[in-house]
Amino acid sequence: QQQVKQSPQSLIVQKGGISIINCAYENTAFDYFPWYQQFPGKGPALLIAIRPDVSEKKEGRFTISFNKSAKQFSLHIMDSQPGDSATYFCAASKGSSGNTGKLIFGQGTTLQVKP
Amino acid sequence: DTAVSQTPKYLVTQMGNDKSIKCEQNLGHDTMYWYKQDSKKFLKIMFSYNNKELIINETVPNRFSPKSPDKAHLNLHINSLELGDSAVYFCASSPWTESTQYFGPGTRLLVL
Repeated sequence: QQQVKQSPQSLIVQKGGISIINCAYENTAFDYFPWYQQFPGKGPALLIAIRPDVSEKKEGRFTISFNKSAKQFSLHIMDSQPGDSATYFCAASKGSSGNTGKLIFGQGTTLQVKP
Repeated sequence: DTAVSQTPKYLVTQMGNDKSIKCEQNLGHDTMYWYKQDSKKFLKIMFSYNNKELIINETVPNRFSPKSPDKAHLNLHINSLELGDSAVYFCASSPWTESTQYFGPGTRLLVL
């Protein structure tokens, strides 16, 4: 049972373009939705996160859009740069860390930004 | 300064062997996790410990046994290694009252 579904599996964008990655979740109890960035040979690193009380969160070139009624959220990378080339994971969890804080990850999206 | 560190970085071993992976965090967090990333890059939680107490055990085979000697360390021991255990294992930590998890660099395990 895949509780968080992510698409597309891979994405190629030209430098300066907008990269968009989508995720859908099933469990309405989820209340924390982070995006992680993973470079080859490295561990995932938190990029940006949102809670369902807001519909959008922006940090620099990265924006999360959240649609609670549709149970969907997406990551937008504006002005994509070759250095953004990495694998991106959406995730979801409920409550704080520990017993109810386990992260359920999407399948990942490999982003390639062409110069 | 490394926040979450893992040793070893690479581990190549024969089927049937027993091996251990160590994790240490210097962030002062209460909660630590083990995740497994398979060949398709899918990340799945295995275990979670809070203050040396097991909180989450995600139906992982009994051959996997986590141990937390103190809240800054979480080790993973694997008995009778199988080919399917080949993966990257990530340790992570977080404060008990927060959702953000910080991941280590991973241990790449190859079972031959």
